[in-house]
Amino acid sequence: QQQVKQSPQSLIVQKGGISIINCAYENTAFDYFPWYQQFPGKGPALLIAIRPDVSEKKEGRFTISFNKSAKQFSLHIMDSQPGDSATYFCAARRRNAGNMLTFGGGTRLMVKP
Amino acid sequence: DGGITQSPKYLFRKEGQNVTLSCEQNLNHDAMYWYRQDPGQGLRLIYYSQIVNDFQKGDIAEGYSVSREKKESFPLTVTSAQKNPTAFYLCASTALAGGPLFTDTQYFGPGTRLTVL
Repeated sequence: QQQVKQSPQSLIVQKGGISIINCAYENTAFDYFPWYQQFPGKGPALLIAIRPDVSEKKEGRFTISFNKSAKQFSLHIMDSQPGDSATYFCAARRRNAGNMLTFGGGTRLMVKP
Repeated sequence: DGGITQSPKYLFRKEGQNVTLSCEQNLNHDAMYWYRQDPGQGLRLIYYSQIVNDFQKGDIAEGYSVSREKKESFPLTVTSAQKNPTAFYLCASTALAGGPLFTDTQYFGPGTRLTVL
């Protein structure tokens, strides 16, 4: 019940294309869903996050879609650029458990020029 | 300039040696966390602390120890009991206070890469 399943494990997209990464969860106690971007040798950086009472959140080229009934959420990167090449982690937070995060396994994105 | 700092960036350990990784934050965050990341893998929780002088084991605490004597600091010691310590270690922190729309989450430091010689 604590798992967050993330797919795909790796993704190759042409420059200008749309990158889509999906996550699914089971535990209904999760109350916030952040996405992190990690470049090699660096710490993960918060990219965008969504509350479960919102179906979509957009920040620039990055959009989260959230389907509460299906317990699924996804990250869309529009107009993907080579600089977006990184590993992306979805996560799910439990505020009543000290803001503990359960992470997906990560998706390694490569955007080809 | 607020943030989370980790030092050193690179650390080399001889077998049988204990080493301590530093994590400091000036964000006035209540909770701090240590994660381990192996190459091409996700994040695994080692220890976390929600308040000074208190901490709990995460999923992979064996061979590690921590202390939380100050709110800003959460050092991690990798002991000789940790048989495979070569990894990338990440510290994170978050505030805990907030109302129903509380949307804070964990923020990460730059990491320490530990290598066993």
